[in-house]
Amino acid sequence: AQSVAQPEDQVNVAEGNPLTVKCTYSVSGNPYLFWYVQYPNRGLQFLLKYITGDNLVKGSYGFEAEFNKSQTSFHLKKPSALVSDSALYFCAVRASSGSARQLTFGSGTQLTVLP
Amino acid sequence: DTGVSQDPRHKITKRGQNVTFRCDPISEHNRLYWYRQTLGQGPEFLTYFQNEAQLEKSRLLSDRFSAERPKGSFSTLEIQRTEQGDSAMYLCASSLGGLGDTEAFFGQGTRLTVV
Repeated sequence: AQSVAQPEDQVNVAEGNPLTVKCTYSVSGNPYLFWYVQYPNRGLQFLLKYITGDNLVKGSYGFEAEFNKSQTSFHLKKPSALVSDSALYFCAVRASSGSARQLTFGSGTQLTVLP
Repeated sequence: DTGVSQDPRHKITKRGQNVTFRCDPISEHNRLYWYRQTLGQGPEFLTYFQNEAQLEKSRLLSDRFSAERPKGSFSTLEIQRTEQGDSAMYLCASSLGGLGDTEAFFGQGTRLTVV
């Protein structure tokens, strides 16, 4: 079975400061890892993904994430937060092989960027 | 807009009634997924189609739930004899499977309220 943990329900950061949203995962074999963002009453928007290769992946809106296999983590980062980054962020995982193709999501982290 | 489209956006129904939701995926995507999201939680997988074949169903998908994708294009999710616990956001997503496996793109969801 695959699972994702987002240990922080809420992250607050001041505008202009760096932000980190944490994610750890469990999956059989090699993982495909994703970050999605959700604004109120909206669907999920794709931010970035790790499939293979460089452990640091860059995505939309200046976000990046670092894959750490030994720690089974995939933390989302941004060097300088904007008020408009305030939203609900979800980490997701699926196995890179096998028949299961569905994503397993974490419970989400509400990011609030304070002006 | 060529993204994933869901209809209706909102549905209020009385307990015991049947409801049906529609999802139109991105046109070239062969995989289609249904997820359910309740307040404060991440999306939970319900079912997955590759073309017209339903390949995976979650234990969450009780006998009252049925999904179809008759021609491998749009999909419908029907809930029979709705219960208050069915109140949630129902999200549809699509992806392109195969060697060029892509991330899943989500629609804006259908919010179901059972009264």
